[in-house]
Amino acid sequence: GIQVEQSPPDLILQEGANSTLRCNFSDSVNNLQWFHQNPWGQLINLFYIPSGTKQNGRLSATTVATERYSLLYISSSQTTDSGVYFCAGGRGSGNTPLVFGKGTRLSVIA
Amino acid sequence: EAGVTQFPSHSVIEKGQTVTLRCDPISGHDNLYWYRRVMGKEIKFLLHFVKESKQDESGMPNNRFLAERTGGTYSTLKVQPAELEDSGVYFCASRRTGGPYEQYFGPGTRLTVT
Repeated sequence: GIQVEQSPPDLILQEGANSTLRCNFSDSVNNLQWFHQNPWGQLINLFYIPSGTKQNGRLSATTVATERYSLLYISSSQTTDSGVYFCAGGRGSGNTPLVFGKGTRLSVIA
Repeated sequence: EAGVTQFPSHSVIEKGQTVTLRCDPISGHDNLYWYRRVMGKEIKFLLHFVKESKQDESGMPNNRFLAERTGGTYSTLKVQPAELEDSGVYFCASRRTGGPYEQYFGPGTRLTVT
């Protein structure tokens, strides 16, 4: 199966700073999603982005499918951005399950 | 349109007891998935339903876990008997048949086995 690597594993930011999280895949995927797990354990859908670029407020994501990586940008970080960010990918018919990376733990301090 | 809902949000049980988790997918979504995150590790796939049929249960850890999807609507995941290592957050996701392949996740059930 595919392998998903996320970097960095941990990140500490001062409030207001920008950051870039990266996700590498060992093989091509046709489903790629980014999630935020908040401190209460809930998993929040951020982006469905098998290719291209999307933006949602202070967050944006870019996937370069031919090079098998995706980036998540967080601008003007806030303490509420803290938590673990996961990327996940799947390939094949679309019925295949998502394979998750180990996550990037982000701590934003005031 | 209501999102994926899960019940309960948190369950605390003793080792050896039974717990049943419930997931209600988004209406019209034939595909339903269960995942879990245990011991601070990565989120891992458990199984996949298409309507009421189990399409893929390769991620189920052992026979203490039983998943059902009655009538192709909501799904339950029963753990019997629960062990300490079952503690974690259990997520349900759903997706409509056909594209796009985006899976919509519920808020999860945090299971604590003491």
